[in-house]
Amino acid sequence: DAGITQSPRYKITETGRQVTLMCHQTWSHSYMFWYRQDLGHGLRLIYYSAAADITDKGEVPDGYVVSRSKTENFPLTLESATRSQTSVYFCASGTDKKPQHFGDGTRLSIL
Amino acid sequence: AQSVTQLDSQVPVFEEAPVELRCNYSSSVSVYLFWYVQYPNQGLQLLLKYLSGSTLVKGINGFEAEFNKSQTSFHLRKPSVHISDTAEYFCAVSGSGNTPLVFGKGTRLSVIA
Repeated sequence: DAGITQSPRYKITETGRQVTLMCHQTWSHSYMFWYRQDLGHGLRLIYYSAAADITDKGEVPDGYVVSRSKTENFPLTLESATRSQTSVYFCASGTDKKPQHFGDGTRLSIL
Repeated sequence: AQSVTQLDSQVPVFEEAPVELRCNYSSSVSVYLFWYVQYPNQGLQLLLKYLSGSTLVKGINGFEAEFNKSQTSFHLRKPSVHISDTAEYFCAVSGSGNTPLVFGKGTRLSVIA
C-alpha cells in the first residue's frame, strides 16, 4: 500500500546535538512538506519541496535544514538542536502545495 | 497572507447530538478551504475541501461544511456524532493558485457517551 513512513517515531536528544528525521513516501507525489505541531500553534510549515533538488522555506525554517536528492525521501535535519525545537514533526506529501497525505509523526524531545 | 481562526479550542458534545466546529478566514479574492481530522497519535487526514462550485461540501464520515463568502466562514457540521469522532479538527486555507496551506490552531472535539 502507498503511504508515508516517518522514522523514528520517538526521539530524545540533548541540546547542541544534530538530529535527522526521515520521511519516505510511496505515492510518487512531487510535493513533500515538513510541519511542526505545538500546543496553541496548530501546524506550522517548516520547509517544502516541489521536486527533487527544489526546496523552499515555510513559516518557521530557522534552525532546520532539508534536502531532497530523491523524489521519495525528504529528510529534516536539526543541525544544533535547541529546547524550543521540542515538538511533534509531521511529514506530508501531495500533488501541489496542499498536502494530501500525512505521516504518523515524530515526537522529538530535546533536553 | 491568508490566515484562519478556529473560534473554539475545545467542543464537548454528547453522543448522537449535532455538532458545529467554526472556522473563519481572512478575506481574499478567492480561496481554497480544507478541513482535516487528527486522531490520537496519528497524522492528519483530509475530511473535505472547497475549491469552487457548490458552497455545501460533503466529506467523509458524514461531515459537511458550508462556504459562506459574505461571512468569510467555513464551518464544519455533523448531524449526529459518534464516540469515534473524538479527535482534533483543523481548518486550513490557501489563496487561489499554487500557494501553501495555512492551518488554524485546531479544535478538540470530545464526544461524551
